Amino acid sequence: GAGVSQSPSNKVTEKGKDVELRCDPISGHTALYWYRQSLGQGLEFLIYFQGNSAPDKSGLPSDRFSAERTGGSVSTLTIQRTQQEDSAVYLCASSLGLGSEQYFGPGTRLTVT
Amino acid sequence: DQQVKQNSPSLSVQEGRISILNCDYTNSMFDYFLWYKKYPAEGPTFLISISSIKDKNEDGRFTVFLNKSAKHLSLHIVPSQPGDSAVYFCAASETPGTYKYIFGTGTRLKVLA
Repeated sequence: GAGVSQSPSNKVTEKGKDVELRCDPISGHTALYWYRQSLGQGLEFLIYFQGNSAPDKSGLPSDRFSAERTGGSVSTLTIQRTQQEDSAVYLCASSLGLGSEQYFGPGTRLTVT
Repeated sequence: DQQVKQNSPSLSVQEGRISILNCDYTNSMFDYFLWYKKYPAEGPTFLISISSIKDKNEDGRFTVFLNKSAKHLSLHIVPSQPGDSAVYFCAASETPGTYKYIFGTGTRLKVLA
């Protein structure tokens, strides 16, 4: 079956521009997560969605970052006024529910020039 | 401050021999640990986990050992195969049912044929 998909796979943007990253979770998975991996760092938790509950945004590094999950399925991570330190691989994962195994997408490599 | 540390960024092992990947953590409240494997251009995939009530968990060629007093866990792969060449991440959480995994920075394993 289809796994978690993310688009685009690569994104190069100029400093100060806004970017949108998309995640399509596995069908039927109610939980969705965003992580990022900066160079030389581990995966850093950003935000978590579970069903219709309010998302846990505690990992978002600044108010330039926001995420939505429409209809309990597709999610979009938006970064406004990008900075060079935002350059990283952004990974999305989904799971059947809280505490279930997380399945990761291939990631979006964001480069801010 | 890295709560989960993988101090070896890379490791090379001959095919058929044992691969030992190490992970140290600082948070004594962590009681659930996981290993993920990541191939290039793919998302991480779950490999094996262990809870703090155990000191060993085995799944085929993969065994995870946990030493709570030393705050150390390791992943053993025996025998190593070229297809095991990947980046391995360890992760930890405070309870099994939480979604907030703290990841290490990864160890790149290369198994030489």
